[in-house]
Amino acid sequence: AQSVTQPDIHITVSEGASLELRCNYSYGATPYLFWYVQSPGQGLQLLLKYFSGDTLVQGIKGFEAEFKRSQSSFNLRKPSVHWSDAAEYFCAVGSGDSWGKLQFGAGTQVVVTP
Amino acid sequence: EPEVTQTPSHQVTQMGQEVILRCVPISNHLYFYWYRQILGQKVEFLVSFYNNEISEKSEIFDDQFSVERPDGSNFTLKIRSTKLEDSAMYFCASSAPRRSSYNEQFFGPGTRLTVL
Repeated sequence: AQSVTQPDIHITVSEGASLELRCNYSYGATPYLFWYVQSPGQGLQLLLKYFSGDTLVQGIKGFEAEFKRSQSSFNLRKPSVHWSDAAEYFCAVGSGDSWGKLQFGAGTQVVVTP
Repeated sequence: EPEVTQTPSHQVTQMGQEVILRCVPISNHLYFYWYRQILGQKVEFLVSFYNNEISEKSEIFDDQFSVERPDGSNFTLKIRSTKLEDSAMYFCASSAPRRSSYNEQFFGPGTRLTVL
């Protein structure tokens, strides 16, 4: 069965510092991978996705993620965080069917300090 | 830019009452989903719907839950007799079929359901 693990429940980072959020997945085939962001009281916004091809994917708001098959990871990075990046971040994996359900990780809460 | 909308944004109900959560998916999308997020927990899949029938459902989606596409635009989730543990944020999502690619799911802003 597929699963998604986000090892870090909570991360505090200074504004302007770099950020890396970890995501590990378990899936038999090449997964469809996603990162979503949820600001307080808001819905889920897609930051970026990986389907195939180039393993380094660029997303919105200056985020990028790298798919590493050997490590079963899809870590999210941003070189310099802004106060507005404070939010909860969810990694998700899609099932083998192209229209299938998403399975989400538990989320990582990011706090940005001045 | 087209978006998924959900109404109401917040619903408060008494335990045992029926609630209907409404969603308007993006107009050319064909696949529809409901997810829920209990406060402080992960987002969980409930059900997917295509061609007027359920494609897949999770173990959470028991006989108390039902979905319907009553017309060409709305997609509803009904909870027949709400329980305290149904209190959660409910997200609707929709996707369009794409060739040789994954159907990206677009999420609505959610309906916060509070069962008292």
